[in-house]
Order: sequence, then C-alpha cells, then structure tokens
Amino acid sequence: AQTVTQSQPEMSVQEAETVTLSCTYDTSESNYYLFWYKQPPSRQMILVIRQEAYKQQNATENRFSVNFQKAAKSFSLKISDSQLGDTAMYFCAFMDTPQGGSEKLVFGKGTKLTVNP
Amino acid sequence: GAVVSQHPSWVICKSGTSVKIECRSLDFQATTMFWYRQFPKQSLMLMATSNEGSKATYEQGVEKDKFLINHASLTLSTLTVTSAHPEDSSFYICSARVPSSDTQYFGPGTRLTVL
Repeated sequence: AQTVTQSQPEMSVQEAETVTLSCTYDTSESNYYLFWYKQPPSRQMILVIRQEAYKQQNATENRFSVNFQKAAKSFSLKISDSQLGDTAMYFCAFMDTPQGGSEKLVFGKGTKLTVNP
Repeated sequence: GAVVSQHPSWVICKSGTSVKIECRSLDFQATTMFWYRQFPKQSLMLMATSNEGSKATYEQGVEKDKFLINHASLTLSTLTVTSAHPEDSSFYICSARVPSSDTQYFGPGTRLTVL
C-alpha cells in the first residue's frame, strides 16, 4: 500500500521569505499523480499544485513550485514570497492513475505552516 | 471552474436521528465523488468512493448501514448518517474528481454535532 510521509508537523516563516515543506512517499508504481493541498482555518481544502510522475519538469503555480525527485520518492513544496494568507495546514497526497489502480488519494498527516508578519 | 459545494455547512442533531449531507459539483460532471471524515488536527480519512449509478465502495471499518451514500446523478452525491450518535460528531468533506484531469476538488465541508 502507498504511504505518504510529511516529517514536519509544524513550520513557521517570516512574511516575504521562502519556505520548503517536505514530503516523501512509497509506491511500486511507475506512473501516478502527486498533489499539494492547503487547508486554511476555514477548513476548505484547496488544490495548490499537481504533478504527474511521468513528467520530469517540476510543476509551478505562481509562488508555488515543487521539487519532484522520482528516484528518491520525494515531492517537496516551495513557497516563495510567503504571504499571511499562506498560513494553513498543507497536505501532500498521492494518487495512482485510474488505469493503474485505485483513484483514491492517500494523504500525509500534514504540516501546519504559520506565516509571521 | 471545478467548484464543489456542500450543504449544510454545519448541523446539530439529537442522538438517534438521521442527517443528510449533499455534495454537488457545480460546473462539471463527476462520475466519481469521495466522502472523507476529518477529526480535529488530523488528516482526512477516506470513508467511501461514490460512483454515479452504482453502489458506493466503502473503506475497511466504515459501516455501510450507518453511512448511506447515494450518487443519483452526475452532479450530486449524498451522505446520510443514520441513527447518529455523539461519536459521529466530526467534520465531513466531499470531493469530486474532474475526469479530464484526474484531480479531486473539495467541498467546503460539513460540521456535524450530535447531542
């Protein structure tokens, strides 16, 4: 079974600085999807970024980028120019391709990020 | 695009009653929806996968008769908590998968409190 590990329960960063959240996963599949979701105090889960395993290029979305290391099974999230609104719980998630297996998301335990003014 | 709504956002009920939670995909058709439960300060726990027009697939340990799921259309799935008890109090979240991108988008969640 796939597992997702987020080793940093809590992190903090100063506004405008850069922070990196770690995520590792375990799978025997070669093709899959990886996601970062954020959950602010409102508890609405919001998709931050998505990576397809067969794509070597790291995904980017404005201030958010990932460092995808397939061989190391690592998928870290970098937030640049941190803003107060980035304060949230961040969940890393893994999904098999529907063709390859379950379409279920497997979540890590989350990292609570606080952006300080 | 890819907006998912949930109703109600919060509900308080008496022990022994049933509560229905609706999950709707507003701007896309979702053949597959998912229901999660989240305890305070914890991650999401998948309860079941809901497929339009067929029976839901429940995760191990989730009582099918207690958590009834109906996916009657491509935009609506419902979760009914039957004979609710205080231990069912939790935050319930649904998601819907966008077929073209294999990405799940989440509803805002429903806070259930059983007295």
